[in-house]
Amino acid sequence: EDQVTQSPEALRLQEGESSSLNCSYTVSGLRGLFWYRQDPGKGPEFLFTLYSAGEEKEKERLKATLTKKESFLHITAPKPEDSATYLCAVRSGANNLFFGTGTRLTVIP
Amino acid sequence: EAGVAQSPRYKIIEKRQSVAFWCNPISGHATLYWYQQILGQGPKLLIQFQNNGVVDDSQLPKDRFSAERLKGVDSTLKIQPAKLEDSAVYLCASSPGLDSYNEQFFGPGTRLTVL
Repeated sequence: EDQVTQSPEALRLQEGESSSLNCSYTVSGLRGLFWYRQDPGKGPEFLFTLYSAGEEKEKERLKATLTKKESFLHITAPKPEDSATYLCAVRSGANNLFFGTGTRLTVIP
Repeated sequence: EAGVAQSPRYKIIEKRQSVAFWCNPISGHATLYWYQQILGQGPKLLIQFQNNGVVDDSQLPKDRFSAERLKGVDSTLKIQPAKLEDSAVYLCASSPGLDSYNEQFFGPGTRLTVL
């Protein structure tokens, strides 16, 4: 059975304090690992897709990396507007997306 | 480009009542998804349509939940009768095609409270 575990559940950072969010997964035949951002009262917004170990993607202050067992979302010099819940999801075989429970990030000015 | 539209945004009902949610996907998107997101959890897929046909409804509680996508555009999700554990945000998403997960756009959701 597919499993996705995100840690930490919540993270508070000072503005400019870099950190990483973790997504560990157990799937049979990974067909993609997805990162989404979700703001309160809104639907998730797509950030990145990673397909194979060693792959990296970047967007502004965010960088996603992938190994065979986990993915990291690195946040460099975060700003208050980066505050949101970050969701990780995997797709395996013919299955649709299976989401983790998310990491709630708060960036304090 | 207009996004995915959902209504209503909020709904409060009592248990055993019925409720329906409506979704209008992005124009031209063939694939439509309904997700359930319980507070503190990630979204869980309930049903996926390709045009007006069901692709996956394996996690839809069919004894009380139903969904349709007539004419392959708008979709409605219905719960009858509702239970307390159905309290959640119901998200609709659409994408251009079956494998277009990178291009899956979500609506704002309908927050359902069952009392």
